[in-house]
Amino acid sequence: AQSVTQLGSHVSVSEGALVLLRCNYSSSVPPYLFWYVQYPNQGLQLLLKYTSAATLVKGINGFEAEFKKSETSFHLTKPSAHMSDAAEYFCAVSDRSTGNQFYFGTGTSLTVIP
Amino acid sequence: EAQVTQNPRYLITVTGKKLTVTCSQNMNHEYMSWYRQDPGLGLRQIYYSMNVEVTDKGDVPEGYKVSRKEKRNFPLILESPSPNQTSLYFCASSFIRATEAFFGQGTRLTVV
Repeated sequence: AQSVTQLGSHVSVSEGALVLLRCNYSSSVPPYLFWYVQYPNQGLQLLLKYTSAATLVKGINGFEAEFKKSETSFHLTKPSAHMSDAAEYFCAVSDRSTGNQFYFGTGTSLTVIP
Repeated sequence: EAQVTQNPRYLITVTGKKLTVTCSQNMNHEYMSWYRQDPGLGLRQIYYSMNVEVTDKGDVPEGYKVSRKEKRNFPLILESPSPNQTSLYFCASSFIRATEAFFGQGTRLTVV
């Protein structure tokens, strides 16, 4: 089975600072990779996804993520944090060969300090 | 509007009393799944369905049942709920496997 590791269950940044949320996956074959955001009392919303095209993926709200096969990583970044970015962020993977199951990381709670 | 609708949003029940959480999607998606979200554990997949009458276990299926008699509906059934099933539950759907999943608003279940 796949596994997903999100380093840092809580991350705090100042408004305007760089946001970096880390995600590493376990499989030797690169899976499909996703980042989701969850605002309080809401469901999850897709930020971006990597399937097999460009390794740098741009998503909504100014977020982007870079797929690095050698590091088995898919870290999420945003150049300048905004107060509205405060939320829970989940990295998820799906096996490329079967794709039947999604595996989620444990989540990273982002706090933005004014 | 494209959406996944779960009902109810909040539910408090007693141990052993059967309950059903409904999930419906209006996007003609083939793939549907149920997750539970617990603090520090992220989302864990309970069951998923690749199409009508095709269901399979996820990582934490014990104590749950599902059915997929119609493409749009994927109810989650707890036949004898226990307190360890107190959690936040999400239903999700996607067009085909491993593509963008659309999530419902969640159902917060408390079993006392």
